Amino acid sequence: QLQLQESGPGLVKPSETLSLTCTVSGGSISSSSYYWGWIRQPPGKGLEWIGSIYYSGSTYYNPSLKSRVTISVDTSKNQFSLKLSSVTAADTAVYYCNRIAVAGSDYWGQGTLVTVSS
Amino acid sequence: EIVLTQSPATLSLSPGERATLSCRASQSVSSYLAWYQQKPGQAPRLLIYDASNRATGIPARFSGSGSGTDFTLTISSLEPEDFAVYYCQQRSNWPPAYTFGQGTKLEIK
Repeated sequence: QLQLQESGPGLVKPSETLSLTCTVSGGSISSSSYYWGWIRQPPGKGLEWIGSIYYSGSTYYNPSLKSRVTISVDTSKNQFSLKLSSVTAADTAVYYCNRIAVAGSDYWGQGTLVTVSS
Repeated sequence: EIVLTQSPATLSLSPGERATLSCRASQSVSSYLAWYQQKPGQAPRLLIYDASNRATGIPARFSGSGSGTDFTLTISSLEPEDFAVYYCQQRSNWPPAYTFGQGTKLEIK
């Protein structure tokens, strides 16, 4: 059974960089059939796609976040990561990593709350 | 940028009733539309992909329809566990990109 698990600091200071890692178990991140991505959800609000990455390293970002986002992959560790720079309180959210099939995001991590506060 | 508008924002129904949720796109998304269910404190779950295909393990009471700009998620007879928030999502083929609707909360009447 495929599992995804987010990890990283739960508190980040304004203007700093948010860094999260998603560890994939029960399957290979190098499968040619899938992308891997990040989606976030501010408290009490809806879902926002942040970006996606292919195992080869090709990346695709939400245009509204593109200038601040970097997603990378480490196939040797079966992990992919998110960096979001210059964070503000508006970046406070639950961050989910997910597997993206042609059908949609079919596997998700449990989510991790990141709070931006001094 | 494609905008997805879901209606209604909140739908109040009783178990056993039929639920009809709408998602309208600002321009055609062909059939590249998915529906997700999210319960409090949980990650979203994929229900429907490509407008009308049920994802693995999804009960037959869930069905999707539509193409172009107008889509519908129908739950034929509501079970207690179906009360949740539902999101539609469109995907652009190239470059890969995704947009979500703002969600419809399905609550018990």
